[in-house]
Amino acid sequence: QVQLVESGGGVVQPGGSLRLSCAASGFTFRSYGMHWVRQAPGKGLEWVAFTQYDGSNKYYADSVKGRFTISRDNSKNTLYLQMNSLRAEDTAVFYCAKSNGHNSGGGYFDYWGQGTLVTVSS
Amino acid sequence: QSALTQPASVSGSPGQSITISCTGTSSDVGGYNYVSWYQQYPGKAPKLMIYDVSNRPSGVSNRFSGSKSGNTASLTISGLQAEDEADYYCSSYTSSSTWVFGGGTKLTVL
Repeated sequence: QVQLVESGGGVVQPGGSLRLSCAASGFTFRSYGMHWVRQAPGKGLEWVAFTQYDGSNKYYADSVKGRFTISRDNSKNTLYLQMNSLRAEDTAVFYCAKSNGHNSGGGYFDYWGQGTLVTVSS
Repeated sequence: QSALTQPASVSGSPGQSITISCTGTSSDVGGYNYVSWYQQYPGKAPKLMIYDVSNRPSGVSNRFSGSKSGNTASLTISGLQAEDEADYYCSSYTSSSTWVFGGGTKLTVL
């Protein structure tokens, strides 16, 4: 069965950096696009970033463009999110989610991890 | 990248039907048949309920159905049950090669 396990969350000061990881199993990781989606406390879901199956194309929400970088290591079945210049408004649970397809051009989030909490606070 | 518009809350009695709307623009909901719906219980990860406007994944009850007209998509839950009480989010692919979610709708089963 598909499993997505996020890690790397924690408390970081404004302006700091953090790298999230998402370990995938139960499917052919290298064949599917992957997303990061976040949810601020008590708020709705916000799409953050997408990487194509081979990492060649990446897309970002305007709110994180230039600060966050999505990447993947298909040899390790792992997705990453490097977060720099963190702000208080980045405080959220970050979920990794599997795409049903291998590239952009539509698609949906068919499996989700349990999430990892990132708190940006001094 | 403005969020899609959903009602903040809807409610219904057991056995009734409810519909949650999701309004976007011609650059997202209206432009593609890539609308999906997610159910989320408090403290849990979202779960896919409907994809590509009206398709149900294996294992999702046929009480859940989706449709779209113009820039507005809808999720209908028939035969409402207590276990359906949750938050529901719509999502759409956009013309910017990004994805957007609705603000979420809290469903209360009376």
